[in-house]
Amino acid sequence: LAKTTQPISMDSYEGQEVNITCSHNNIATNDYITWYQQFPSQGPRFIIQGYKTKVTNEVASLFIPADRKSSTLSLPRVSLSDTAVYYCLVGAYSGAGSYQLTFGKGTKLSVIP
Amino acid sequence: DTEVTQTPKHLVMGMTNKKSLKCEQHMGHRAMYWYKQKAKKPPELMFVYSYEKLSINESVPSRFSPECPNSSLLNLHLHALQPEDSALYLCASSPGRAENEQYFGPGTRLTVT
Repeated sequence: LAKTTQPISMDSYEGQEVNITCSHNNIATNDYITWYQQFPSQGPRFIIQGYKTKVTNEVASLFIPADRKSSTLSLPRVSLSDTAVYYCLVGAYSGAGSYQLTFGKGTKLSVIP
Repeated sequence: DTEVTQTPKHLVMGMTNKKSLKCEQHMGHRAMYWYKQKAKKPPELMFVYSYEKLSINESVPSRFSPECPNSSLLNLHLHALQPEDSALYLCASSPGRAENEQYFGPGTRLTVT
């Protein structure tokens, strides 16, 4: 089971780009890398998912190097409303009831005015 | 309809009570999940239903009993809980089999007295 390591907390000023890196040294061939955002007392919200190289959507970008042992979530021009916990997940459904998906401990991002 | 709903929002129950949590989605998703989340901790996967069949049970105590009456509904029956079971219980769904891109409900805040 791939274990993820991410910073416990980060601070950023409004309008800056924020990069949160997640380490997953024993990622398996089938594993995808997924990021979620969670506000207090709410369910997590899917942000982005990737397998390799770079993925971009309207919210964020995900950079994955060739060895896939880490990934970086990039949030452009953050605002106060981006203050939340961000979880990195690595896992996949391998069939026959085998499903490995464990949330990392999360990074608490605080955006400062 | 692109959301997962959960009822009730809050629940207080005694250790001898029997109660149920309900989750509903109308996105046509075929996989549904129950997670438990303690304060300041990441969500922990409890159960996965794929095409209305229990596919993954992460060694959860028998005082938690899941049920999937149809592809849109997921219940979690609670009996003889302990105070340490107090937590936020989250339901999620995904389009196909167990997947990493999941849509979460707002959760039920459970307090066991």
